Amino acid sequence: GENVEQHPSTLSVQEGDSAVIKCTYSDSASNYFPWYKQELGKGPQLIIDIRSNVGEKKDQRIAVTLNKTAKHFSLHITETQPEDSAVYFCAASFYTDKLIFGTGTRLQVFP
Amino acid sequence: DAGVTQSPTHLIKTRGQQVTLRCSPKSGHDTVSWYQQALGQGPQFIFQYYEEEERQRGNFPDRFSGHQFPNYSSELNVNALLLGDSALYLCASSWGGSGNTIYFGEGSWLTVV
Repeated sequence: GENVEQHPSTLSVQEGDSAVIKCTYSDSASNYFPWYKQELGKGPQLIIDIRSNVGEKKDQRIAVTLNKTAKHFSLHITETQPEDSAVYFCAASFYTDKLIFGTGTRLQVFP
Repeated sequence: DAGVTQSPTHLIKTRGQQVTLRCSPKSGHDTVSWYQQALGQGPQFIFQYYEEEERQRGNFPDRFSGHQFPNYSSELNVNALLLGDSALYLCASSWGGSGNTIYFGEGSWLTVV
């Protein structure tokens, strides 16, 4: 069935370093790939998304890359700051009918 | 511009009871989806409403039901509550039913005792 794998489950970095989170999806029909940041006790906040007709998208310190052939997509955060600490979820869907989420990555940025 | 709003934020129910959660979509959005997020896990899709009809459903029992009103707001009902229903229930909205960005609310924390 539909599945999204996400790695690593935890990631600790020093402030200013880069962080990379990787996801793999199973349904080749998937065409929409959002990333959400979830802080403790809050709902998921959309930080960036990419559609299957684009290979890379960047928004300030955040970038997402998509490899459709390998069914991989990745989140890259540069110049990390303590306020980037949160749980990050990748997701995949076909025309956003139903989001299938990864298992989450807990990112800790140490000052 | 108000985002997705949900109520109540927290509630405690007893096993066997019924619960109703409410959601108002982001302004301009007409599609509402509900997700269940257990502690330490990613959200799981329950169902989606578009034009007041349930358009797609995830792998949840019939105890989970919903409704969408003409103003696009939505309710999630869960009957015969089980301890395992304890979770964060998230409402998400988008426009047009497909192909557009999805935004989430802050969720309703349900504890079943």
